[in-house]
Amino acid sequence: AQSVTQLGSHVSVSEGALVLLRCNYSSSVPPYLFWYVQYPNQGLQLLLKYTSAATLVKGINGFEAEFKKSETSFHLTKPSAHMSDAAEYFCAVIEGDGDKIIFGKGTRLHILP
Amino acid sequence: DTGVSQDPRHKITKRGQNVTFRCDPISEHNRLYWYRQTLGQGPEFLTYFQNEAQLEKSRLLSDRFSAERPKGSFSTLEIQRTEQGDSAMYLCASSLGQGNYNEQFFGPGTRLTVL
Repeated sequence: AQSVTQLGSHVSVSEGALVLLRCNYSSSVPPYLFWYVQYPNQGLQLLLKYTSAATLVKGINGFEAEFKKSETSFHLTKPSAHMSDAAEYFCAVIEGDGDKIIFGKGTRLHILP
Repeated sequence: DTGVSQDPRHKITKRGQNVTFRCDPISEHNRLYWYRQTLGQGPEFLTYFQNEAQLEKSRLLSDRFSAERPKGSFSTLEIQRTEQGDSAMYLCASSLGQGNYNEQFFGPGTRLTVL
């Protein structure tokens, strides 16, 4: 069964610093992987997705993620953090027939002024 | 607003009461999903529909949980005889079911508190 593990339930970075949120996946088949963001009192928003095309995926708001099969990783990065990036971020994988999303436990990103 | 909507946004109930939540998907989307999110966890899949057919319900948490989508448009999720452990955010998502991957668009959720 597919699953994802997010390393670090809380990450703090200074405004302007690099953001790195870690995600490792477990899948017996080539996975579809996602990063979602959840702002307070709002629904989940898709940041980016990997669907077996380019291994470096660019998303919204300046985020990108790189699929590394050898490391079974799909880490999320942003070169320069902004205060508005403070939110909870979820790594996710599609399970089986493509209809169930399996989410990680989430990483709360704090931006320090 | 043409996104997924959920009603109510917040529900406080007493243990043992029944509650029902509604989800209105994006109008042309034929698939509708329900997830539950507890504090400190990622969303957990519960069930989904294609049009009015419920294609999987094995992940519903107990027989106290049921979902319907009678006309293939909006859906309801009912929890009978609520327990304190049912306190969570209930999320709905919809997608246009074509191909191997169908992006799911999420609503804002209904936060349930069981006293």
